[in-house]
Amino acid sequence: LAKTTQPISMDSYEGQEVNITCSHNNIATNDYITWYQQFPSQGPRFIIQGYKTKVTNEVASLFIPADRKSSTLSLPRVSLSDTAVYYCLVGLMEYGNKLVFGAGTILRVKS
Amino acid sequence: EPEVTQTPSHQVTQMGQEVILRCVPISNHLYFYWYRQILGQKVEFLVSFYNNEISEKSEIFDDQFSVERPDGSNFTLKIRSTKLEDSAMYFCASSDASGTYEQYFGPGTRLTVT
Repeated sequence: LAKTTQPISMDSYEGQEVNITCSHNNIATNDYITWYQQFPSQGPRFIIQGYKTKVTNEVASLFIPADRKSSTLSLPRVSLSDTAVYYCLVGLMEYGNKLVFGAGTILRVKS
Repeated sequence: EPEVTQTPSHQVTQMGQEVILRCVPISNHLYFYWYRQILGQKVEFLVSFYNNEISEKSEIFDDQFSVERPDGSNFTLKIRSTKLEDSAMYFCASSDASGTYEQYFGPGTRLTVT
């Protein structure tokens, strides 16, 4: 499993775009990049997953450069309710595989 | 939207007692998991379950732990003789065999061992 490095915490204000970068220098050819979100006292929630270039859904965008050694989760126009821990996970995605969580990035959105 | 449910939301037990944590995964899912999170720490994988047997387990999942799918809907985690260090939030998750490999997590059971 590829080791990931994320900032421990980030602060932002409502309405701003937030970009959280994750480094994964030893990502393997078949590894996917997945982001989860966790609110206090709740289970993690899947946000987005990608393999290369850019993926966008209704919640976020995921940017992956050509070398795939890093990725950036972009949250457009955050609100107070986006305050959570965001986890970057990198690994071979097969059905039934365990998820390996790191410490994540604590995002605090202020008014 | 379908969701994973867990009961109870909070369980307090004395050291040495047995506890059973219950989960109802999403109905058409095939893979089931238990994770735990000690307060202030990372989410840790415990065990995965598929086709009525354990697929993978972590070092944490020792002989004191067991899982069962007693019927078509429930998925349980049993801790035979709880220790103080078992105090944590326990999350059940499930996933299907299509799409994004997404795992759907339940709201968790907070286990407090006194």
